[in-house]
Amino acid sequence: GAGVSQTPSNKVTEKGKYVELRCDPISGHTALYWYRQSLGQGPEFLIYFQGTGAADDSGLPNDRFFAVRPEGSVSTLKIQRTERGDSAVYLCASSPGTGRNNEQFFGPGTRLTVL
Amino acid sequence: AQKVTQAQTEISVVEKEDVTLDCVYETRDTTYYLFWYKQPPSGELVFLIRRNSFDEQNEISGRYSWNFQKSTSSFNFTITASQVVDSAVYFCALSEYNTDKLIFGTGTRLQVFP
Repeated sequence: GAGVSQTPSNKVTEKGKYVELRCDPISGHTALYWYRQSLGQGPEFLIYFQGTGAADDSGLPNDRFFAVRPEGSVSTLKIQRTERGDSAVYLCASSPGTGRNNEQFFGPGTRLTVL
Repeated sequence: AQKVTQAQTEISVVEKEDVTLDCVYETRDTTYYLFWYKQPPSGELVFLIRRNSFDEQNEISGRYSWNFQKSTSSFNFTITASQVVDSAVYFCALSEYNTDKLIFGTGTRLQVFP
């Protein structure tokens, strides 16, 4: 079956602009996660959803970052007033559930470059 | 606080050598999960294994094996008879029982030369 997909694969924007990054999880997966990976680093957790609700948003760096998952499937990560420091690869993952079913499968990522 | 340390930033080996990637973790929870992921040059993270904290049995899958030792808070990964296709960055990660977020180490870049 299809894996996690993310669009766009690359996004170049100017400082101060608004961007939206989309994630389509594996069909039937109830949990969805967003991570951010800077060059040479491991992924850093941003937020995760169980169904439609954000179960843990403790990794969002500030209030410029927001994510939604209105129907419990597709999720959008929204970044307002982008800054150069937001440049990174944004990774999405999904898992069949949580706890014992928390194997996370990752998408290819969206590379965001803020000029 | 949770933390994952991968002290080896880069390892180079010649094909057919065995190689072990180290992972040390910190957590106050008694129930937690440990993971290994592979990130090849294409960039997509590939899930390799998940262990829970109550299962200290070592696991072998083909050329891959994992050694989980609670006493030393380590979860090391060994590739036997390495191949060029094993070249990638390998990440160890931890999640605690009450949250499913993954805490990743900084990764170990493995280069296997022919």
